[in-house]
Amino acid sequence: GAVVSQHPSRVICKSGTSVKIECRSLDFQATTMFWYRQFPKKSLMLMATSNEGSKATYEQGVEKDKFLINHASLTLSTLTVTSAHPEDSSFYICSARAPGLAGARTFYNEQFFGPGTRLTVL
Amino acid sequence: QKEVEQDPGPLSVPEGAIVSLNCTYSNSAFQYFMWYRQYSRKGPELLMYTYSSGNKEDGRFTAQVDKSSKYISLFIRDSQPSDSATYLCAMSVVDTGFQKLVFGTGTRLLVSP
Repeated sequence: GAVVSQHPSRVICKSGTSVKIECRSLDFQATTMFWYRQFPKKSLMLMATSNEGSKATYEQGVEKDKFLINHASLTLSTLTVTSAHPEDSSFYICSARAPGLAGARTFYNEQFFGPGTRLTVL
Repeated sequence: QKEVEQDPGPLSVPEGAIVSLNCTYSNSAFQYFMWYRQYSRKGPELLMYTYSSGNKEDGRFTAQVDKSSKYISLFIRDSQPSDSATYLCAMSVVDTGFQKLVFGTGTRLLVSP
């Protein structure tokens, strides 16, 4: 249980195009989803927190208009990188949280992570 | 100063060795302390979590927290080649009403047969 998937796993695009990444909770309903970004040999940096049906809360320094997040249902959140540039190349990871999920270690509302999406902008 | 400091490694050990991974932190508001394992090109998976100072054991893994020194450790006994991965420490904090995770950079561990 508590499986999170991401699609696509890798994407290569040209500079100036937009890319959409999907994050799905496969066997539970996620009230909250998180989007992280990870550079090589760097830590995961939280980009934004999204609750189903409401606007995402972005971390300081993250451009809202560039990284569009939609959490339209309890099982799906999308991250769209608009007008991508080479500096946006990174590993993007989502996570989902479901308080009260059977078997989850809800001591801190455990987050379940997806496998990540490698974005390369040429 | 980063909130969470972790040596990126790599740390190379022979099979069967005891591995010690460490993180220091500066924010006293951190509540929970976790260790994640991340294989190449995969998402992190939770290994262990602790709340209070002291030790917590789970099989070959022992997590240790020293809140007075703001220092946490993960010990791996009888290390195996399958333990080769990046280990990230993470800490939770409530910020603007949300509980968030702050990660270290991760330490890459290589266990050779």
